[in-house]
Formats: sequence, structure tokens, C-alpha cells
Amino acid sequence: EVQLVESGGGLVQPGGSLRLSCATSGFSFGDYAMHWVRQVPGKGLEWVAGIGWNSVSIDYSESVKGRFAISRDNAKNSLYLQMNSLRPEDAAVYFCSKGGSYSFYAPFEYWGQGTLVTVSS
Amino acid sequence: DIQMTQSPSSLSASVGDRVTITCRASQDIYNYVAWIQQKPGKAPKSLIYAASGLQDGVSSNFRGSGSGTDFTLTISSLQPEDFATYYCQQYRDYPLTFGGGTKVEI
Repeated sequence: EVQLVESGGGLVQPGGSLRLSCATSGFSFGDYAMHWVRQVPGKGLEWVAGIGWNSVSIDYSESVKGRFAISRDNAKNSLYLQMNSLRPEDAAVYFCSKGGSYSFYAPFEYWGQGTLVTVSS
Repeated sequence: DIQMTQSPSSLSASVGDRVTITCRASQDIYNYVAWIQQKPGKAPKSLIYAASGLQDGVSSNFRGSGSGTDFTLTISSLQPEDFATYYCQQYRDYPLTFGGGTKVEI
């Protein structure tokens, strides 16, 4: 059974930093692209960042470029999102998602339950 | 960026109804479209990939169609567990983008 479990969310002040983690199991993690998608409660889904199976392909939404960094550790079957210079508009539930293949151009296949990030003074 | 425009933004339907949701892309995205279901307070669930492919374990009550710029998600006979919000999403180009969502209500 594929499992994606996010952690690391919480309350942080504007300008602060937070590191999200996504622990995975049930599939060969190193063979798949992975993504972070966020959702402001009551609003729609927004893609945040993606990383290819070997970390060569990486991309970000314009809204987080230069502030967030996505990474992965294939030996630990884990995905990360380092979030710096956080703004109130970054407050959202952050979901980890498994891509459908090694390709960077593949649909999302599985999703975690999400971790809530609150940015407030 | 590729814009994905969904319609309607919400609809009311009854159990047993046939429901159709449409999604239009701002440029040709071939068949690089997915459909995603989300229930309140829950994680999203992927339903359809490549415009018409059914993800493993997804009911055949769901059907996707279309190519190019126009896509459709059809629920053949609405079941109680199908009341949710549905999103289309393109993966033809980065940044990956979603439609605004369609809330299917009783």
C-alpha cells in the first residue's frame, strides 16, 4: 500500500522558515517524480514544486521561486520542502504527491493527508 | 502559464443523475490532463490521467474524454460518495496548473 505522510507544519512568524518532510512507503521511491501542492482552506489546489526521480529536474511556481527549495533523499524514501522568508499568503495545507512515473511530465498518482502551515505574528 | 478553466463552478444533482464537468485549456495540451476528486477535509484523490485513463481502483462510473483544449469528466450515475469537488489539472508544461474546481452538491 502506497503511503505518503507529511510532517513539519506549524505556526511560524512572517519571515521565518519551516522544513516540511514527506515520508513514503509502499513503492520504489527513487523511481518516481514527486511534488508539493498546497491549498488555502476553502480554496483550490496550487502546485508549489516538483522534483524528478534523480533530482536533476526541479521546478517551482513563481510565487515561491527563490524562497522554497525542494529536495529528496532516495535512500530514506523521503521528500522535503525547505520554506524560507515565509509570507502570510504561504499559509495553507501542504500536500505531498507521488508522480505517475519517473517522468517529470506525469500526472499525480497518490497524495498524502497534508500538513498545515500557518504564517502569523 | 497554461490556464485551465472549469465549468460549472458548482452544480446540484441527485443520486442517479448523470453529471458532466468541462475543462478548457488556454492552449493545446494534447491529452496531458488529469481529474482529481477532493472531499471536505480530505486529501485529493486522483481519478483520471491522460484525459481518459482510469487510475487503479477508481470506479468505472467515472469517464474522462477530450483532447487538445477541451476536456470532460462524466459521472454516469451519481453515487452518494461522489459528492465532492473535482479539479482538472494539466501536466503538459510547467508550472503545473489546476482548474478552479467544480463542487458537486446534493
